[in-house]
Amino acid sequence: NSKVIQTPRYLVKGQGQKAKMRCIPEKGHPVVFWYQQNKNNEFKFLINFQNQEVLQQIDMTEKRFSAECPSNSPCSLEIQSSEAGDSALYLCASSLSGTGSDYTFGSGTRLLVI
Amino acid sequence: GDSVTQTEGLVTVTEGLPVKLNCTYQTTYLTIAFFWYVQYLNEAPQVLLKSSTDNKRTEHQGFHATLHKSSSSFHLQKSSAQLSDSALYYCALHNNNAPRFGAGTKLSVKP
Repeated sequence: NSKVIQTPRYLVKGQGQKAKMRCIPEKGHPVVFWYQQNKNNEFKFLINFQNQEVLQQIDMTEKRFSAECPSNSPCSLEIQSSEAGDSALYLCASSLSGTGSDYTFGSGTRLLVI
Repeated sequence: GDSVTQTEGLVTVTEGLPVKLNCTYQTTYLTIAFFWYVQYLNEAPQVLLKSSTDNKRTEHQGFHATLHKSSSSFHLQKSSAQLSDSALYYCALHNNNAPRFGAGTKLSVKP
């Protein structure tokens, strides 16, 4: 069982709808990452946080995706207007520093945009 | 920028035979760590093994890998593949940026 908790496990949205998923990082891990795993099983980095601050994010995230990691609340990733190409497995991972062997993934949220 | 290359999308091997999954990388960082992750069907990726020491063999669950900085490689090997090894395998590079993953190799072990 993963120590990183992601909800919901599955998410179905229509095109243009908002899609929101959550992640509770492993206790004591201040660094949180979001990845998109596409149908070809490739990982695409989206954004990462240290505590509540954004460290890095890609252009895709800046335009249609929004993410936050408020204190004492789950982290979240939200797609403002879902597109068919957003259908993927969204994985959250947490780490003490982002560079060590404590990197832990959640089980993911599988998004289907129809 | 950093990149990780896994040349095989699918590797099929017969149970009991050796298997090798290739991983090469490019990075400008000096302090780096390399990981192999395994992802079983419908499960989260998990660390299989890791290394940051040049020319030192690392082993776990029958798999082994040696980081060779001279050839920028971190290939994963096992001397005798098992049916339960069928999964997705990702090579990843960790430095001061977000970890960079290879495209993944699906290992299929046949009876």
